[in-house]
Order: sequence, then C-alpha cells, then structure tokens
Amino acid sequence: ETGVTQTPRHLVMGMTNKKSLKCEQHLGHNAMYWYKQSAKKPLELMFVYSLEERVENNSVPSRFSPECPNSSHLFLHLHTLQPEDSALYLCASSDGQTSGNTIYFGEGSWLTVV
Amino acid sequence: TQLLEQSPQFLSIQEGENLTVYCNSSSVFSSLQWYRQEPGEGPVLLVTVVTGGEVKKLKRLTFQFGDARKDSSLHITAAQPGDTGLYLCAGALNQAGTALIFGKGTTLSVSS
Repeated sequence: ETGVTQTPRHLVMGMTNKKSLKCEQHLGHNAMYWYKQSAKKPLELMFVYSLEERVENNSVPSRFSPECPNSSHLFLHLHTLQPEDSALYLCASSDGQTSGNTIYFGEGSWLTVV
Repeated sequence: TQLLEQSPQFLSIQEGENLTVYCNSSSVFSSLQWYRQEPGEGPVLLVTVVTGGEVKKLKRLTFQFGDARKDSSLHITAAQPGDTGLYLCAGALNQAGTALIFGKGTTLSVSS
C-alpha cells in the first residue's frame, strides 16, 4: 500500500473514445503529478498541481486534460488519443513544503490505444 | 536540456555478486531519490539523499550522494534474485521537488 491509488489499472480505448484516469492520495500531501512512462524513455512529467493549482504543464497535447478538484484527487481526462499515447500513466504526490521532498507513486494505469 | 545519465542500462549478474549503478548529471540537485520498479507496478521509493557526501544504507544497499550534489551511486552487496527490477534515480531541481528529472533506469536481473 503506497498511499496513492490509481484506477483503472488497465484501460483499452479506441481513438475516438473519451475516458478518464483517477488518482487518490491518502498521505495528506499538497502536490500531485501525472507522469508518462514509455518503453526506453525516462519518466516524463506531464502535469503538476500544487495546492490544487496547476503549476507546470510540460507542453502536453490538449488531448490530455487534467483536473484537480481537491488536494486528494487528480484526474486525467483522455479524448481522441493516438496509438503512440499507449503507455503506463503514473500518478504521484508529495509534501511540496519540506527540504528533501519525496515523491510517492501510485501503481500506475496501463493505457492501450487501439 | 537537463539530463540525468544512468549507467549501466542493463545488468545481468549471478546471485552473490556485488554491483554498482551510477547516476550523473551536470545539474546540481537539492535532493536525489532512488526508486525500484517491478514490471506492471509503479516505482517504489528506496531512499532520498539531501546532503552532499551523504551515505545511506538500507540492508545490503548503499547509496551515496556526490559532494557537489550532481551525482549518486547505488551499491548492492551480495545481490539476490529478489533484487531484480528497474532501478531509477531522480534529481530534484528545486526545494519543493516539483521539478524532478529521472534517469532512464537500470534494469537489473539477478539469477540464482
């Protein structure tokens, strides 16, 4: 149990579908993240929310839309994705206030776009 | 572009051997974290190092942060099959840790 839970764990969607990934953290953290993990690439930061406000968006295509309704929940809304978007999507959270701040990851959502 | 070079990329060894994984960058980090990830799962934090020159031990794993806080190493003594996995280092470029860059990882396979 990592304190960060993601659902669904596996998702297969067509290119015209709309789906959402959900993340919930039980650690009392105030920052949440979406990362993308593809084969043979470093983990790529997609979005950062701190105190429920988006503070970083690393030029992610608009077909990915994040939502952070409160400090414990984070969503990633998906629409008109491409096959190359198939990857492991990892949610993470952190305290964001202390030196040596550590990020804790969820188990990930495996996304396959067909 | 800020990069975190991790080496080796792949390592296949026998049970009982020792190994070292390296993480190098030209950037100075406020902290550095090591994670271990198993197939189909998210990365699990092993350790965070903050102070230049710091050494931390976790059973058979020894982590060292370089004096200049630009590099780090992970040394495993007497590796076991249970150590098999992907080892990731991640450097924090700011105190809050929201600017975190990852290495590509080292895939370790330990056979009995």
